[in-house]
Amino acid sequence: EPEVTQTPSHQVTQMGQEVILRCVPISNHLYFYWYRQILGQKVEFLVSFYNNEISEKSEIFDDQFSVERPDGSNFTLKIRSTKLEDSAMYFCASSDGGANTGELFFGEGSRLTVL
Amino acid sequence: GQNIDQPTEMTATEGAIVQINCTYQTSGFNGLFWYQQHAGEAPTFLSYNVLDGLEEKGRFSSFLSRSKGYSYLLLKELQMKDSASYLCAVRITGSARQLTFGSGTQLTVLP
Repeated sequence: EPEVTQTPSHQVTQMGQEVILRCVPISNHLYFYWYRQILGQKVEFLVSFYNNEISEKSEIFDDQFSVERPDGSNFTLKIRSTKLEDSAMYFCASSDGGANTGELFFGEGSRLTVL
Repeated sequence: GQNIDQPTEMTATEGAIVQINCTYQTSGFNGLFWYQQHAGEAPTFLSYNVLDGLEEKGRFSSFLSRSKGYSYLLLKELQMKDSASYLCAVRITGSARQLTFGSGTQLTVLP
């Protein structure tokens, strides 16, 4: 069964460092997303990406965040200068955009710990 | 803004039936989703409603009333492996098809 894959599964970084989280969405999907979940809290939308550009972004997705689809398969989230409060599980998701239910398929997540 | 409410925690017994409610107030509506999330894992899709009524899928059913801004997830014949967080999520009209999630209901199934 096709799945969304994410790397790394866990990254520890120092405050102020740059981090890149990588995702390979399901191959025939058109919409890509990043969500985050701080421990014990809800899943929060960060950004959606369609047709090689950002479709929507939340208030959380400020200037320190960026996304890129550098080739036909990868989808990356970059955090330029990490803060302690960026510590969270980051989930990548993809969707076919509604051919069926349009549900989001989530990857297993990348746990980011900022020290 | 968007508001999605669900109970924080519920407890039920193995073999029983449990109903998890969700109410929402959103600026537009284009579908309601239920996801299951085990601790430390990714959310996995359970069900989808866009029209009023009941959708049944094995041991899981989901109901929607758009006029009331209300949905529930019904789990029958509970098993220990059903202990998880159940997330109600709404897709809003005009959005890039992303979902807005509630805080989740942590279900504990006891033997």
